[in-house]
Amino acid sequence: TQLLEQSPQFLSIQEGENLTVYCNSSSVFSSLQWYRQEPGEGPVLLVTVVTGGEVKKLKRLTFQFGDARKDSSLHITAAQPGDTGLYLCAGRRYNQGGKLIFGQGTELSVKP
Amino acid sequence: DVKVTQSSRYLVKRTGEKVFLECVQDMDHENMFWYRQDPGLGLRLIYFSYDVKMKEKGDIPEGYSVSREKKERFSLILESASTNQTSMYLCASIKYNEQFFGPGTRLTVL
Repeated sequence: TQLLEQSPQFLSIQEGENLTVYCNSSSVFSSLQWYRQEPGEGPVLLVTVVTGGEVKKLKRLTFQFGDARKDSSLHITAAQPGDTGLYLCAGRRYNQGGKLIFGQGTELSVKP
Repeated sequence: DVKVTQSSRYLVKRTGEKVFLECVQDMDHENMFWYRQDPGLGLRLIYFSYDVKMKEKGDIPEGYSVSREKKERFSLILESASTNQTSMYLCASIKYNEQFFGPGTRLTVL
């Protein structure tokens, strides 16, 4: 059973479209992170959200942490081919130190 | 810049071989992690270490062991490789709530 359910697992869109990736759980997290991974490389941190209801923006990317700290979303506006990659959400539970629980990942392909 | 390096990008081994995957970080981080990444499953934690000579099992430790003799180096050992251990292996170290990953080792066990 996956503790963090990420959806969709695959997304293929045209340049300029908007998209949203969801990360859901029945567990409460102290914080939630989003990573992006390009082929042949390790994941790289995009953002950390800590407070329930928090919204963070990174250029065309908007991240939201659910009010109950059980879910998160990543919204990309006007996607570009450079956004292509694997997006991973990762949650940290209370009293678990530095350990992260990862979602399955969303493979995003943005076609010109 | 934080740098996490892994000894090999690609590795092909035979069933039953002993396999060593090495990871080195240059930022004096105390916490280090080994994950395996498989399509549709995300990253799953194999082992982690909070300090030299300290190790704790993650979610899928069976078939693996680790060694941390120096702070900067964390090794993953497959005592007797099996085909179901064919995967991408990622090492990470952590500082201030951010995990820094190496480029990964794609291991194929024939």
